[in-house]
Amino acid sequence: QKEVEQNSGPLSVPEGAIASLNCTYSDRGSQSFFWYRQYSGKSPELIMFIYSNGDKEDGRFTAQLNKASQYVSLLIRDSQPSDSATYLCAVILTGTASKLTFGTGTRLQVTL
Amino acid sequence: EPEVTQTPSHQVTQMGQEVILRCVPISNHLYFYWYRQILGQKVEFLVSFYNNEISEKSEIFDDQFSVERPDGSNFTLKIRSTKLEDSAMYFCASSLGQGEQFFGPGTRLTVL
Repeated sequence: QKEVEQNSGPLSVPEGAIASLNCTYSDRGSQSFFWYRQYSGKSPELIMFIYSNGDKEDGRFTAQLNKASQYVSLLIRDSQPSDSATYLCAVILTGTASKLTFGTGTRLQVTL
Repeated sequence: EPEVTQTPSHQVTQMGQEVILRCVPISNHLYFYWYRQILGQKVEFLVSFYNNEISEKSEIFDDQFSVERPDGSNFTLKIRSTKLEDSAMYFCASSLGQGEQFFGPGTRLTVL
């Protein structure tokens, strides 16, 4: 089983809609979860982090964490064409101090 | 806004040659990292560095790799004898604590 799993996509949503990106992880003891955005040919950009169960909102972004289900998601409200990118889920797994383990990323396309 | 910087942006080298990739982390950060991303693949952890020593390393980070913080600002990754399979984007990242990591723009390494 992969440590961090994401659907590779592409996920296509119309402009103004809500995009929902999902990530599952195998290590039940993981405590720290991050969402990065990566435009083609660019570096990962941190957009959200979450450490506690529940929702965390920052502007148009909401991260949701469910440790019992080993599931973390990212919602993007009012999606814009500029949100079109690959979204990377990263987890600090148990037994590692600060090493980020990444998923393969979900490519999001926001259409006009 | 402070950011991680990396030089060079692109490095071309012959197989078997040594390369040094340079990074300037965010000035008050204490933890430093190198990751790499082979074209079309996920971001992979190489090494983390704290308090002037390696704190974690992956199986990729073998004897051909080394890291150094030669002064108060730079953080370097040396590959002693490059192989074709070392061709990738190399990202430096830094963090204040064992949490949110901020990535530099990357160095594209091409080994011929």
